[in-house]
Amino acid sequence: DGGITQSPKYLFRKEGQNVTLSCEQNLNHDAMYWYRQDPGQGLRLIYYSQIVNDFQKGDIAEGYSVSREKKESFPLTVTSAQKNPTAFYLCASSIGRHTGELFFGEGSRLTVL
Amino acid sequence: SQQGEEDPQALSIQEGENATMNCSYKTSINNLQWYRQNSGRGLVHLILIRSNEREKHSGRLRVTLDTSKKSSSLLITASRAADTASYFCATGSIQGAQKLVFGQGTRLTINP
Repeated sequence: DGGITQSPKYLFRKEGQNVTLSCEQNLNHDAMYWYRQDPGQGLRLIYYSQIVNDFQKGDIAEGYSVSREKKESFPLTVTSAQKNPTAFYLCASSIGRHTGELFFGEGSRLTVL
Repeated sequence: SQQGEEDPQALSIQEGENATMNCSYKTSINNLQWYRQNSGRGLVHLILIRSNEREKHSGRLRVTLDTSKKSSSLLITASRAADTASYFCATGSIQGAQKLVFGQGTRLTINP
């Protein structure tokens, strides 16, 4: 079955620690994205990548970093510089254009203790 | 920056009734999409309507787009308890960086 796999589903972090969220897709999509969702809110774009070895900042990139070394993988690191990292993180992919249909993973919930 | 704004923020209806949600946006778009999210899950794409289309149907879903008013509506007919979820509109802007911008969603509850 083709799709997007995010791991872990739940993650707890102590203040000052970096954590990495995994996102893998087997849809052969060129573009991948990371969104953040806070309770009762919409999605805000953190980073996106439209091709391997290239990525761009979204609206709230501060305190986050990404890499795109393989077409199928787009990991997100939440660094200690992110002041309020507790949130639900969603990874998505699309065939090409950034304004096309997005396919989402099931999300990772990060809680800072 | 949030462009799409959904209205109402929350909607509760009886099973079998129709549910209508609205989305307004600010800039020119090339398409508008609706997504559904069950609690604690990822989003699922429902329907995409292009800027040159006025109405689109998919099963029990009907989407309209009025570019002159910069608004869209999503109608779910004959609602079922399984339709309980949050619904988000997302707009693809033709200005600046081409990216989808999501609204804050409408939380729909279908009472059996």
